[in-house]
Amino acid sequence: AQKVTQAQTEISVVEKEDVTLDCVYETRDTTYYLFWYKQPPSGELVFLIRRNSFDEQNEISGRYSWNFQKSTSSFNFTITASQVVDSAVYFCALRVSGGYQKVTFGTGTKLQVIP
Amino acid sequence: GAGVSQTPSNKVTEKGKYVELRCDPISGHTALYWYRQSLGQGPEFLIYFQGTGAADDSGLPNDRFFAVRPEGSVSTLKIQRTERGDSAVYLCASSPTANTEAFFGQGTRLTVV
Repeated sequence: AQKVTQAQTEISVVEKEDVTLDCVYETRDTTYYLFWYKQPPSGELVFLIRRNSFDEQNEISGRYSWNFQKSTSSFNFTITASQVVDSAVYFCALRVSGGYQKVTFGTGTKLQVIP
Repeated sequence: GAGVSQTPSNKVTEKGKYVELRCDPISGHTALYWYRQSLGQGPEFLIYFQGTGAADDSGLPNDRFFAVRPEGSVSTLKIQRTERGDSAVYLCASSPTANTEAFFGQGTRLTVV
C-alpha cells in the first residue's frame, strides 16, 4: 500500500519569505511517480510537477523548486520569495507504475502568505 | 470548454435520496477519474475510466456508488440512498492518456442533510 505524509498542517509566512513544504512517502514499488498539486480557495487542483522514481535531479521552475531524495523517501517543495497569491493548500501525491491509476494524496499543507 | 467541467457546483440533498454528479472532461481526453475530498483531507481515489470502461473501481466505498461513461466522454457519478457521511467535494479529472498529468475540475460539493 502507498502512503503520503504531509506533517505540516498549516504554515504562515510573511510575504517574501522562503517556505518549504515537506512530503514523505511510502511505497514498496521501485517505479513510481510523485506529484505536487496546488488547491486555491476556488477548489480546483492545479498540477505543479511530476517526478518519476528514477530521476532524482532537483528541479527549479521560477520561484518553485523541488528536492527529491529517495534515501529519505522525501519530495519537498520550496517556494522562494513567497507571494500572497501562493496562499493555498498544497498536496503531495504518489502513483505507482504498472498500470495502476490510483493516485494517493497526502492530507495537504495549508499555506498562508501574509502581506 | 477549455477545462474539466463539473455540474452542479453545489448539491444539497436529503438523506436517502439519489443523486447524480456530472463531469465533462477536456475534449479528446481518454482517461477520466473521480475522487472524493472530505473537509481537511486530500482527495481519495474512487474510479478510473479508460474510454468507456471502468478500468479501476477499487476506490468506490460501497455498492451505493456507481459511475458510467457510456460514450467515452461525459461521466456521471451516481449515489443511491445517500448518507450524511457522503457529504464531500467530488472531484473529476481527465488526462489525454493514462500516464499523463490529470487536469481537475472545480468539483461538486455534495451536502447530505
